[in-house]
Amino acid sequence: AQKITQTQPGMFVQEKEAVTLDCTYDTSDPSYGLFWYKQPSSGEMIFLIYQGSYDQQNATEGRYSLNFQKARKSANLVISASQLGDSAMYFCAMRELSQGAQKLVFGQGTRLTINP
Amino acid sequence: GAVVSQHPSWVICKSGTSVKIECRSLDFQATTMFWYRQFPKQSLMLMATSNEGSKATYEQGVEKDKFLINHASLTLSTLTVTSAHPEDSSFYICSAYLAGGRVFEQYFGPGTRLTVT
Repeated sequence: AQKITQTQPGMFVQEKEAVTLDCTYDTSDPSYGLFWYKQPSSGEMIFLIYQGSYDQQNATEGRYSLNFQKARKSANLVISASQLGDSAMYFCAMRELSQGAQKLVFGQGTRLTINP
Repeated sequence: GAVVSQHPSWVICKSGTSVKIECRSLDFQATTMFWYRQFPKQSLMLMATSNEGSKATYEQGVEKDKFLINHASLTLSTLTVTSAHPEDSSFYICSAYLAGGRVFEQYFGPGTRLTVT
């Protein structure tokens, strides 16, 4: 079963607008972590933001914020005031404990295109 | 800080040959490194978890005899694709886990693009 689901294969947004990238997850572990990564065309994975399952407040990092709705098991990424350089693939990932080891499970990704 | 390098950044090899990819943590010691594979327009799939001084743990469906992983030191892990075939062509990314850092934050290398002809 898919543990991380990103339902938007592609998003197109006008520059300076805010954009929300959806992510839902599935886990029975009460302790988990959620990450968002950006992958530009160069291929490198750039860490954006992290939300722990016990964190009381939504995480924020500059223009990035995570809309964490625990009961709905969603962890949407909000990018405010989008810029042309935000065009990239975005992956949601969840830290899970499997066979005694921690690992990251990634969603399918969303390709974000910012139009001038 | 927390920089991870990979070498080579891209490699082309002939079918049947072996290719070694290096992953180094440049400014920290990583007890655990991870190897991912990413096919075009797809997500990252974990191949194996590499712990220094012990055998790697492979994900289901990954052939351990084909993808040899050696984590000889706290700063170096290598992935060797043996008897490579065109279907092994992919983008291989490593990451290193910095113990004591933010909760399970992995630092990713820039990736290695492998093309098997």
